[in-house]
Amino acid sequence: QVQLQESGPGLVKPSQTLSLTCTVSGGSISSGGYYWSWIRQHPGKGLEWIGYIYYSGSTYYNPSLKSRVTISVDTSKNQFSLKLSSVTAADTAVYYCARARYSGSLKFDYWGQGTLVTVSS
Amino acid sequence: QSALTQPASVSGSPGQSITISCTGTSSDVGGYNYVSWYQQHPGKAPKLMIYDVSNRPSGVSNRFSGSKSGNTASLTISGLQAEDEADYYCSSYTSSSTLEVFGTGTKVTVL
Repeated sequence: QVQLQESGPGLVKPSQTLSLTCTVSGGSISSGGYYWSWIRQHPGKGLEWIGYIYYSGSTYYNPSLKSRVTISVDTSKNQFSLKLSSVTAADTAVYYCARARYSGSLKFDYWGQGTLVTVSS
Repeated sequence: QSALTQPASVSGSPGQSITISCTGTSSDVGGYNYVSWYQQHPGKAPKLMIYDVSNRPSGVSNRFSGSKSGNTASLTISGLQAEDEADYYCSSYTSSSTLEVFGTGTKVTVL
């Protein structure tokens, strides 16, 4: 059973960089076939896909966040990470990491429990 | 890329059937058979319930079914149960550079 767990600061100051890590257990990122994604949910709102990384390091980002997002992978630790720069209060959200199968579209079949990140001074 | 449109809320009594709609455009829902549905209980992560319009992942109850007509996809829950009370989100592949777009979400209430 694949499990994902987000970790990182729950409070980030405006203009700083939000950094989160997702640790994967029960499966290897290096085995390929899946796209490791970040998705966020603003308080009381819907879901927004942020981007994904493949084990090879190739990435794809939502154009609305592309200029501020970096997703990286560390296969030796079976982790992937999210960095979101120049954050504002509008970036306050629950951030989820998820595994996606890609067959025509992204299908998020395993999710982390989510971590709330608040942007405030 | 705008979010797909879903009704804010749908309700039904135990045992009844309800249907949630998800309306997009020919660039997403209408153009491809790549609609997924997710169930989210309060404080929990979403769970994949339907993919590619009408396919259920292993372990998902057959009370959940999906369909599509034109630019609108639908999720039907039959034999409604108390445990089905949750938020439901559709998502679709989109030919825009966004790649994947989610719906606005629907709160299902079991009366």
